[in-house]
Amino acid sequence: EVQLVQPGTEVKKPGESLKISCRGSGYSFTVYWIGWVRQMPGRGLEWMGIIYPGDSDTRYSPSFQGQVTISVDKSISTAYLQWSNLKASDTAIYYCATGYNIKTFDYWGQGTLVTVSS
Amino acid sequence: QSVLTQPPSVSAAPGQKVTISCSGSSFNIGNNYVSWYQQLPGTAPKLLISDNNKRPSGIPDRFSASKSGTSATLGITGLQTGDEADYYCGTWDTSLSAGVFGGGTKLTVL
Repeated sequence: EVQLVQPGTEVKKPGESLKISCRGSGYSFTVYWIGWVRQMPGRGLEWMGIIYPGDSDTRYSPSFQGQVTISVDKSISTAYLQWSNLKASDTAIYYCATGYNIKTFDYWGQGTLVTVSS
Repeated sequence: QSVLTQPPSVSAAPGQKVTISCSGSSFNIGNNYVSWYQQLPGTAPKLLISDNNKRPSGIPDRFSASKSGTSATLGITGLQTGDEADYYCGTWDTSLSAGVFGGGTKLTVL
């Protein structure tokens, strides 16, 4: 069974850094793309970026390029989404999702709620 | 403003049929496969349809989809109260070199 495990919640202050994780199991981690999707409170899904664990090929949406960093540690089947300078507007649920091709997310994690507040 | 345009909401009675549209351009829907996702209240999204019209294992055949030109449509027949959810279309955009989603459509089963 394919599973993507994410931490439930993170609470941070503006200006702080954060790295959230997504651990995959039940499938061949290195041959599936793994991406990140933002959902702000009461809003729709936003495609942020995606990485291919096999060679770390990474693509970002122009809206998120330079705002976040996506990385992967294939030795522990884990992908990461990282911020260096959080803002209140980064408050959202962040889902990781995986798919055999870059264009479809076949399986989704349960999401990490990131709250940024002073 | 989403790259793909969906109606904000649709509604129908139990047992009836509903369709949800998704409009894009030649940069996205016109030249790429479309996927559809279902997000039940308070849960993570789930893949409903891939490659324009393919249902993953476990998705009932009450759900179907099609694509024509730069638009795609999701159809749901035999509506059930458990189908109340937000539905999103998604595809790749070659001008952005990134994935894109529609703004989402809230389905209400009256």
